[in-house]
Amino acid sequence: GENVEQHPSTLSVQEGDSAVIKCTYSDSASNYFPWYKQELGKGPQLIIDIRSNVGEKKDQRIAVTLNKTAKHFSLHITETQPEDSAVYFCAAMAPKAAGNKLTFGGGTRVLVKP
Amino acid sequence: ETGVTQTPRHLVMGMTNKKSLKCEQHLGHNAMYWYKQSAKKPLELMFVYSLEERVENNSVPSRFSPECPNSSHLFLHLHTLQPEDSALYLCASSPGRMNTEAFFGQGTRLTVV
Repeated sequence: GENVEQHPSTLSVQEGDSAVIKCTYSDSASNYFPWYKQELGKGPQLIIDIRSNVGEKKDQRIAVTLNKTAKHFSLHITETQPEDSAVYFCAAMAPKAAGNKLTFGGGTRVLVKP
Repeated sequence: ETGVTQTPRHLVMGMTNKKSLKCEQHLGHNAMYWYKQSAKKPLELMFVYSLEERVENNSVPSRFSPECPNSSHLFLHLHTLQPEDSALYLCASSPGRMNTEAFFGQGTRLTVV
């Protein structure tokens, strides 16, 4: 089955700096890669996703890149703000006949210091 | 607010108790999921239901028993749990089509004493 590795597990950045989180996946059939942000006391919420037919996607201060050949994808947050502090999860999904199944990375705890 | 509601938000139960977690979505989604989140394994898929049929059971102990009476509701029945079952239990739903977003509820924080 699919295996997703995520690094780093914790990341501390100064406000205004950039943060980068990297993930690798094992199943070459995976073609959907969402990123979730989980704030304290809440469930994960989708912040951006990318499908395998594109290499990069941007939404304001966040961007995701995908390298299908190397089977890795990354989340980039620019001009970080204190409200970006949270746990971030990457995930990968391969086409299945019944029921989408997301495989998640281990998570990255991001702390933005004012 | 994601449209997926879980109750209760917090639950403390003894090892001999029987309790149920409830999940409800009115997004018109056809697939629903239970995940377990703990410090050891942050997001661990437990069960998948598609069109009210269980399509995946990830080797979950029988003390966890899911039920999906219709496409809007999902339950997780708990009995004779162990302290190591203490975790955040997250419900999610998705449209059921290939490669679409999963929407998560806020979770139930379960403590087994």
